[in-house]
Amino acid sequence: GQQLNQSPQSMFIQEGEDVSMNCTSSSIFNTWLWYKQDPGEGPVLLIALYKAGELTSNGRLTAQFGITRKDSFLNISASIPSDVGIYFCAGLINSGYALNFGKGTSLLVTP
Amino acid sequence: DGGITQSPKYLFRKEGQNVTLSCEQNLNHDAMYWYRQDPGQGLRLIYYSQIVNDFQKGDIAEGYSVSREKKESFPLTVTSAQKNPTAFYLCASSSGELFFGEGSRLTVL
Repeated sequence: GQQLNQSPQSMFIQEGEDVSMNCTSSSIFNTWLWYKQDPGEGPVLLIALYKAGELTSNGRLTAQFGITRKDSFLNISASIPSDVGIYFCAGLINSGYALNFGKGTSLLVTP
Repeated sequence: DGGITQSPKYLFRKEGQNVTLSCEQNLNHDAMYWYRQDPGQGLRLIYYSQIVNDFQKGDIAEGYSVSREKKESFPLTVTSAQKNPTAFYLCASSSGELFFGEGSRLTVL
């Protein structure tokens, strides 16, 4: 499977700041997914995007499916300490294929 | 509760031993997956199965084996042929979106 290019690799921010991370690919995907992983746990799905241009929110999180179908971004507004973790993007070509994952963005939030 | 159960959560193994990680799901998903996670490497696909009695190699299948005799179960065996087996192993199932278990951490002594 193709590895997606996820950036930044890590972020160290203060509580209350906004955060933005993105994923790019040379291939087109039909679904983009964003996951968060706490230490020692499995990733948990945050947002799923199914349509080019789609902008979806989940509380303080907002994600967009790029128009070209080759990229996606995730924004976190007004960060809090429990936002700490690793955030992964994943792209899916079609149902029946395996997901392709980015290498993750490690987020640290200081009070 | 519906979900994916992995066991054991922690496992220690001596070099040269095979070990089997369990993954069970009650979500009625057809597709199941095994990923390996190493620090800074993200998630790498080991094997996946779209239906019972069928499975496909992922990107790093060497040294691993799987079976899919039942829809709800997809065990992974880490064989002695796997040169660097110490890692965090994640099982997932899917009907489109992927849902993960809590992971199994394998340490080879």
